[in-house]
Amino acid sequence: DAKTTQPNSMESNEEEPVHLPCNHSTISGTDYIHWYRQLPSQGPEYVIHGLTSNVNNRMASLAIAEDRKSSTLILHRATLRDAAVYYCILREETSGSRLTFGEGTQLTVNP
Amino acid sequence: GAGVSQTPSNKVTEKGKYVELRCDPISGHTALYWYRQSLGQGPEFLIYFQGTGAADDSGLPNDRFFAVRPEGSVSTLKIQRTERGDSAVYLCASSLGFRAGELFFGEGSRLTVL
Repeated sequence: DAKTTQPNSMESNEEEPVHLPCNHSTISGTDYIHWYRQLPSQGPEYVIHGLTSNVNNRMASLAIAEDRKSSTLILHRATLRDAAVYYCILREETSGSRLTFGEGTQLTVNP
Repeated sequence: GAGVSQTPSNKVTEKGKYVELRCDPISGHTALYWYRQSLGQGPEFLIYFQGTGAADDSGLPNDRFFAVRPEGSVSTLKIQRTERGDSAVYLCASSLGFRAGELFFGEGSRLTVL
């Protein structure tokens, strides 16, 4: 599985936008970029995924670099409930839905 | 609607004992996954079922670990001769199919081996 690199931790203030970066320089053409988050004492929760184009949903936006070697998860207005570990994961199309998690980014949201 | 259900939520056992962890996926989801998560780490893949058969069991750490899904719905993860190093949260997830974009996770079963 291709590897992703994320900062160990980030901080944000409530109601401000948050940009969570992810580097994936060895991404292949068939790898999808997935983001999951994990709140304390819960299982991971799907956030968003994309292949080449930027994606938006009710939770977040995903901005994918033109060369696809990096991406950014954007939370438009952070709330205290967004404090979680955010995982950036590459999933090869042919490997089905198996996900390989790294250690993720611990996001702290300050009131 | 009902999400992925895992039982027990907590299990404390003694070294050497046998343990079963159960996962009830979302109705209609044909794919089911088991992951294990140690403190401070991301989830680690164990095994993946498509229907009744194990499509990928490459993550099972050794032959003490075994999982079944006899009717293509509920799955049981079985751990024989438990060791202290097996202590972790065991997570189950399900998805609509092989290439479904989204996995739905349960809250996990916390296993503590004394």
